[in-house]
Amino acid sequence: KNEVEQSPQNLTAQEGEFITINCSYSVGISALHWLQQHPGGGIVSLFMLSSGKKKHGRLIATINIQEKHSSLHITASHPRDSAVYICAVSRGGGADGLTFGKGTHLIIQP
Amino acid sequence: KAGVTQTPRYLIKTRGQQVTLSCSPISGHRSVSWYQQTPGQGLQFLFEYFSETQRNKGNFPGRFSGRQFSNSRSEMNVSTLELGDSALYLCASSSPGSDYEQYFGPGTRLTVT
Repeated sequence: KNEVEQSPQNLTAQEGEFITINCSYSVGISALHWLQQHPGGGIVSLFMLSSGKKKHGRLIATINIQEKHSSLHITASHPRDSAVYICAVSRGGGADGLTFGKGTHLIIQP
Repeated sequence: KAGVTQTPRYLIKTRGQQVTLSCSPISGHRSVSWYQQTPGQGLQFLFEYFSETQRNKGNFPGRFSGRQFSNSRSEMNVSTLELGDSALYLCASSSPGSDYEQYFGPGTRLTVT
């Protein structure tokens, strides 16, 4: 079983829809990251959180430490949101490497 | 501030050869991590350097190695290339006091034929 599990693997939605991507992890963490990867490869860090909730524009990320679960929400989705969204965790003890989920491939249709 | 840069962006090598990839972190960042991304395995951690010392290493064979220079620039080397080494290699840098937040470079796409 992977230490970081994401669902769904693929998601196609219509422009304007509310999107939710889920991430569960099975290890102790110091932080959870949501990353966005567009075709071509570049990765952008959207959020890094260790508790509660963060909001940036139309994106919202929440984490429940007790349940080892995080969600990424996109409100009023737009075709430019089409990308792969990746959940990753830092395990703490200094700057160790990230452990990644398999990613969610999101397509927003106009 | 300039972002993380990686060179070269694309590379084609033959099985058995070796390759060196370079990463220049954001100015002031002292930690550099390297990752491999393949369609089958996804993103996997290779190793992390801080102040010229390898602090952490992922589960990769010894053919994969790296180093960091005094200006925080980092290189990774893969010797005796195998077809399965074809991947996107990404580096990421972190700032002091915020080691968990990583800023990624555009990656080097390596194709081994």
